[in-house]
Amino acid sequence: QSALTQPASVSGSPGQSITISCTGTSSDVGGYNYVSWYQQHPGKAPKFMIYDVSNRPSGVSNRFSGSKSGNTASLTISGLQAEDEADYYCSSFTSSDTYVFGTGTKVTVL
Amino acid sequence: EAQLVESGGGLVQPGGSLRLSCAASEFSFSNYWMSWVRQAPGKGLEWVANIKDDGSTKNYVDSVRGRFTISRDNAKNSLYLQVNSLRAEDTAMYYCASTTYRGGWYAFDYWGQGTLVTVSS
Repeated sequence: QSALTQPASVSGSPGQSITISCTGTSSDVGGYNYVSWYQQHPGKAPKFMIYDVSNRPSGVSNRFSGSKSGNTASLTISGLQAEDEADYYCSSFTSSDTYVFGTGTKVTVL
Repeated sequence: EAQLVESGGGLVQPGGSLRLSCAASEFSFSNYWMSWVRQAPGKGLEWVANIKDDGSTKNYVDSVRGRFTISRDNAKNSLYLQVNSLRAEDTAMYYCASTTYRGGWYAFDYWGQGTLVTVSS
């Protein structure tokens, strides 16, 4: 399985909004509403931020939102804050009953 | 809140084996699918394998199929990964993660802190 494609880096100023894309195929992102997103700070385990494309678990800020169109899912962070600086990964369930992660995006708060 | 604690990592020579463990607590372990996810140094996340709540179904990423075996002991609230025929490219932090109702059953909602496997001569 090939990794889902994400931009290597995205940056924004505090208070701005940024969007991270996650492109797959009809066998993963496009075929299922089982896309999730993870935030990882250096040296830490990932933390899940979004599940089932657009649902936020309890405790995750409503500044994080998810969507999907065709084979591409997106994570939007609004009102960017310094603490949002981290690596972000998407993941999707696949037609092989396996999972695939995205290549990862480094978010920098300018 | 659920806790997952991995152990068993270490330095091993190419071709060697290890058995990784993940102990779960504060968590209805026997009700949920569990996965192993790895991350090579400075690289991204890679899903490795998962196992059904009762152990009856197991899935693997192509690169480890035939070399790695996932298993669980629900009586001990423990998940395992037997890693054999190790290669340099298997060097990574190995995380165990759950998929529960909290994440809609298809997201990795709880994670351990990881155990590091280094394959080198």
